[in-house]
Amino acid sequence: QKEVEQNSGPLSVPEGAIASLNCTYSDRGSQSFFWYRQYSGKSPELIMFIYSNGDKEDGRFTAQLNKASQYVSLLIRDSQPSDSATYLCAVNDSRDKIIFGKGTRLHILP
Amino acid sequence: DAGITQSPRHKVTETGTPVTLRCHQTENHRYMYWYRQDPGHGLRLIHYSYGVKDTDKGEVSDGYSVSRSKTEDFLLTLESATSSQTSVYFCAISEHTEAFFGQGTRLTVV
Repeated sequence: QKEVEQNSGPLSVPEGAIASLNCTYSDRGSQSFFWYRQYSGKSPELIMFIYSNGDKEDGRFTAQLNKASQYVSLLIRDSQPSDSATYLCAVNDSRDKIIFGKGTRLHILP
Repeated sequence: DAGITQSPRHKVTETGTPVTLRCHQTENHRYMYWYRQDPGHGLRLIHYSYGVKDTDKGEVSDGYSVSRSKTEDFLLTLESATSSQTSVYFCAISEHTEAFFGQGTRLTVV
C-alpha cells in the first residue's frame, strides 16, 4: 500500500515565526507533490506544488523536495493567525492516483 | 474556482438503501476522483477515473461503485449504505497535475 505520512500535530507556532511541515512518501515513482490547506468545514485548496528536487518559493511559502530521501516539506514564513488550518501533503503516484497524508493541524499563537 | 459541482450537498439516508452522489465538471479535465474524509483518517481515495468508462479502485473501494459515461460527470454509488459510510465525500478533478476540489457532500447514514 503506497503511503504518504505526516505528523498529525497539532503544531503550535508563535505569530511571526516560521512553521515547518513535513511529509514522507513511499512510492519512488511519484512525480508530483502538493501541499493543500484546509480550513474546518471547507474543501482543500492548493497552496503549493513542486516537481523537481530543491526549493520552490511563492510569497511566504516555500516547498522543499528531496526525492532521494522521499521527503517533502512546507515552510511558512512570518506565520499569521489566518494560517491556522490543517495542511495536507499529496503525491501523484506512478499511476496518476493522487494520495493524501492525514494532514497536520497548524495553530498560530497570537 | 474550478468548475466542479457536487450534488447533493447534504443527505441523510437509511441503512441498506442505495445512494448516488454526483460530481459535475465544466473544465474538461481527464481525471476525476472520489475521496472520503473522516476524523483521524484524512482524505482517502475511493475510486478514480482516467477517462470516459475508465475507472480504477482506490484504497477504500469496498461498498462503492462508480460510473463515468461522460467526461463531465462522475457518479459514486453506495450500493447498500451502512453507518460506516457516514462521512464527507469530496470530488476532485485533475489534468495530470494538481487536483481541484468540489465543495463536498456530507452524508449521514442512520
